[in-house]
Amino acid sequence: QKEVEQDPGPLSVPEGAIVSLNCTYSNSAFQYFMWYRQYSRKGPELLMYTYSSGNKEDGRFTAQLNKASQYVSLLIRDSQPSDSATYLCAMTKTGGFKTIFGAGTRLFVKA
Amino acid sequence: GAGVSQSPSNKVTEKGKDVELRCDPISGHTALYWYRQSLGQGLEFLIYFQGNSAPDKSGLPSDRFSAERTGGSVSTLTIQRTQQEDSAVYLCASSSSRTGEANYGYTFGSGTRLTVV
Repeated sequence: QKEVEQDPGPLSVPEGAIVSLNCTYSNSAFQYFMWYRQYSRKGPELLMYTYSSGNKEDGRFTAQLNKASQYVSLLIRDSQPSDSATYLCAMTKTGGFKTIFGAGTRLFVKA
Repeated sequence: GAGVSQSPSNKVTEKGKDVELRCDPISGHTALYWYRQSLGQGLEFLIYFQGNSAPDKSGLPSDRFSAERTGGSVSTLTIQRTQQEDSAVYLCASSSSRTGEANYGYTFGSGTRLTVV
């Protein structure tokens, strides 16, 4: 079993839709949780991070973390065609510098 | 520099040849990482450098892979006797080692797309 499982894509939604991307993890030692966005032929770029259970909002994006149930989600409101990309969840342990990534969910937002 | 720079951006090589991939991290970032991304797969950790400490090589898939970091800055990933299964995108990232920031996220380069034919 992988330490981090991410819902497979691809996911296709119309412009303006609300999108929820999800990851579960099996290692309770993970303390820091990140979401990266990766456009085609580019490296991943950090979107958001969180470390406490609950919601963290940044514009149209909300990161949700539930440590008791060991899952993280990224909510995208009012999705735009420019949001079309692969979204990777990532997590790391306290004091550890080796981040574990999910396989990524490919998102298409249709205009 | 302003970002993490990787070269070459694309590399096609014949099976059995050696290749060198280069990474120039953000100035002042003491931590440097190499990851591999295969089609449809997540990022696979390869190696981690932190300052002058011994690197964490636990992710290197075989002894054909090696990496060095000179002067705490530029890093080179070398793959000897390349095999077709080595075809992937090799990503380099760097981060600051200041408390918290190293955990919060990396800055990635655009990667080197390696194709072994």
